[in-house]
Parts: sequence; structure tokens; C-alpha cells
Amino acid sequence: AQSVTQLDSQVPVFEEAPVELRCNYSSSVSVYLFWYVQYPNQGLQLLLKYLSGSTLVKGINGFEAEFNKSQTSFHLRKPSVHISDTAEYFCAVSSFFQGAQKLVFGQGTRLTINP
Amino acid sequence: DTGVSQNPRHKITKRGQNVTFRCDPISEHNRLYWYRQTLGQGPEFLTYFQNEAQLEKSRLLSDRFSAERPKGSFSTLEIQRTEQGDSAMYLCASSLSKDQPQHFGDGTRLSIL
Repeated sequence: AQSVTQLDSQVPVFEEAPVELRCNYSSSVSVYLFWYVQYPNQGLQLLLKYLSGSTLVKGINGFEAEFNKSQTSFHLRKPSVHISDTAEYFCAVSSFFQGAQKLVFGQGTRLTINP
Repeated sequence: DTGVSQNPRHKITKRGQNVTFRCDPISEHNRLYWYRQTLGQGPEFLTYFQNEAQLEKSRLLSDRFSAERPKGSFSTLEIQRTEQGDSAMYLCASSLSKDQPQHFGDGTRLSIL
């Protein structure tokens, strides 16, 4: 079975500061990894994904993540955050079955940006 | 790309009533997923359709839950005899193929009185 652990439930940072949201996963097979963002009362929006290839993945809104197979981690980073980045962030790992992906999500990290 | 559409956005009902939610996926997407998200948690997989065939169901999907996708386009999720524990956000997602990311709708928030 696969699982995802997001190590911080809440991360407060000041505007224009850097941020790292941590994600560790466990899986016995090769996986795809994702970060999604959720704004209040909305669905999930894909930030970035790792399927294969370069371990440094760039996404939307200036976010990037690095896949580390030996540490089974996929941490999300942004060098300078804005007030508009305040949201819930979810890390997810996928498993494949019957021609589709089943996403397993972490519990989420609430990112709060203070002026 | 008009995105995944879910209706209604909010549903408030009394315990014991039946409710039905609708999901319209992105038009060319043949894969459709339902997830449930309780407060403070990440979404949990419920079920999956490829075209009109329901190919996978989670153990979370009790006998009171049923999902359909009759023509391989929109899907409905019905909950019979609702219970307090059914209060959650129900999210629908669709994808074009096995390797493509899932696109999520804004969800239906269910509140049981």
C-alpha cells in the first residue's frame, strides 16, 4: 500500500520569504508524484507533477519540487511567497490500476502568508 | 476547456434523506473519479469510471452509496439514508488517459443536519 506524509500541518511565513513544504511517501513500486493547491471552498488545482526524468520539477505560480528517491521525499519550494499563495497544499502519490491512476493524498499543509 | 463542473455546490439535508450529486467532466476525458474530503483531511478515493464502466470501488463506498455514468459522459453519486458521518466535500475529477493528471471540480459540500 502507498502512503503520503506531510510533515507540517501548518506553515506560517512572511510575505516575500522562501518556503518549503515537506512531503514523504512510501511505495513498493515506481510512482508518480503530485502537488495540488486548494483555495477555500474550491477543488484542487495541479501545481506540478513528477512522472520521470529530471528530479527538479517546475510548476505554476513559481513553485518547484525535487524528487529524492533515496529519501522518498518530494518537497515543494518557492523562493518568495505572496499573500495570494495562502491556501491548503496537498502532496499525492499515484498507483495504477485498471488503466487509471488512484491518487493517495497526504493530510495537507496550510500555508499562511503574513504581510 | 470548460473544466469539471459539479452540482450542486452545497447540499444541506436531514439525516435519513437521499441525496444525488452530478459531475460533468471535461468533454474529451473518458476517465472519471470520485473522492471524498472530510474537514482537515486530504481527499480519499471512492470510485472510478472508464467510459460507462465502473472499474474500481473503495471500501469507503458502503452499500448506501451508488455511482453511475450511464452514457460515459456525466456521472451521478447517490447517497441513500444519509448519516452524520456522510458530511464532507465530494470531489469529482477527470483525466484524458492513464498518464495524464486528474483535473478536479470545485466539489459538492454535503451537510447533514
